[in-house]
Amino acid sequence: QVQLQESGPGLVKPSETLSLTCTVSGASVSNGTYYWSWVRQPPGKGLEWVGYIYYSGSTNYNPSLKSRVTISVDTSQNQFSLKLTSVTAADTAVYYCARIYCSGGGCYGMDVWGQGTTVTVSS
Amino acid sequence: DIQMTQSPSSLSASVGDRVSITCRASQIFGSYLNWYQQKPGKAPKLLISAASSLQSGVPSRFSGSRSGTDFTLTISSLQPEDFATYYCQQSYSIPLTFGGGTKVEI
Repeated sequence: QVQLQESGPGLVKPSETLSLTCTVSGASVSNGTYYWSWVRQPPGKGLEWVGYIYYSGSTNYNPSLKSRVTISVDTSQNQFSLKLTSVTAADTAVYYCARIYCSGGGCYGMDVWGQGTTVTVSS
Repeated sequence: DIQMTQSPSSLSASVGDRVSITCRASQIFGSYLNWYQQKPGKAPKLLISAASSLQSGVPSRFSGSRSGTDFTLTISSLQPEDFATYYCQQSYSIPLTFGGGTKVEI
């Protein structure tokens, strides 16, 4: 059974860097069928895609966050990570990691999700 | 960016009702459209991918369809466990985008 688990600080000060890690079990991040993604959800609001990474290190980010986001992958630890710099209160959200299924040149749904981790930006 | 306009934003229904939720895309992109169910305090769950492909383990009362840029999620007979918020999401182009959500209430 594939499981994803987010970890990282639950409180980050404004202007600092948010850092989260997603640990994958039951599957390998090196499996070329999947991309590995971050999605966030502000309190009481909808879902926002942050970005994704392929095992090779290739990334795509949401342009609304692109200047502040870095996603990296550690195949030896079977993990991928998110860094978001210069955070403000608007970055307060539940952050989810998720697996995206890709096949035949296209990508489909996010079929496995972590439970989510709440990050609050506050001094 | 492809905008996904989901409607209605909320609806009230009863057990046994047939319920339909629509997502309209701002441009045509084939069938790279997915539907998720989210319950309070939980992660989203993928129900349908590629507009109409039911995920393994998802009850057959859920179905998806496409007509041009309009995508529809239908629940044929609403069950108590179906009361949740539903989101559509396009996976055709970057940035991946979600609809605003539809809350299905009793």
